[in-house]
Amino acid sequence: DQQVKQNSPSLSVQEGRISILNCDYTNSMFDYFLWYKKYPAEGPTFLISISSIKDKNEDGRFTVFLNKSAKHLSLHIVPSQPGDSAVYFCAATPRWGSQGNLIFGKGTKLSVKP
Amino acid sequence: GAGVSQSPSNKVTEKGKDVELRCDPISGHTALYWYRQSLGQGLEFLIYFQGNSAPDKSGLPSDRFSAERTGGSVSTLTIQRTQQEDSAVYLCASSLGEKLFFGSGTQLSVL
Repeated sequence: DQQVKQNSPSLSVQEGRISILNCDYTNSMFDYFLWYKKYPAEGPTFLISISSIKDKNEDGRFTVFLNKSAKHLSLHIVPSQPGDSAVYFCAATPRWGSQGNLIFGKGTKLSVKP
Repeated sequence: GAGVSQSPSNKVTEKGKDVELRCDPISGHTALYWYRQSLGQGLEFLIYFQGNSAPDKSGLPSDRFSAERTGGSVSTLTIQRTQQEDSAVYLCASSLGEKLFFGSGTQLSVL
């Protein structure tokens, strides 16, 4: 049973517009969430994270929103750029540091059209 | 090195053969992880090493899979008697804290 779900396998957005990538989780023990970005033939790279004590974290063009009651988080990219085209993975973990393994979703492939 | 290094980058093997995948983590990183990504799937946790503690092997799919980390640095993932369903990208990551730094992975193809 998938604990972290990314229900949209792909998303296509026009350059300059907003990209919204969604992630749902089922385990109420998760309290730390991360987004990773992956280009073809490369390993995933860390993008942004959020702790359950917050509902929003912003870093430049990237903002992550967390709705704990709905067990839902989203990544907003604005404005979207062609270089943002990649696969985005949502990941979650309970109490970082006491349990090492992140649980990843299946990823959403984002295509930003020029 | 500057990042996590994995070797080989590609490995083609015959069903039933054993394979060894190597990971050189970032120097000083105490935690090391192995994940794999099968076609169309997310990243699947395999095993986690933290310092001198006993590794968390809860993600290993069968007893054909094993891993060791020598001297708190280099790690080797061994798959014995490979099966076609073992074909995947095997990713190693290391960390000091919240962020994992991934290598480029080893693409394993079992024919």
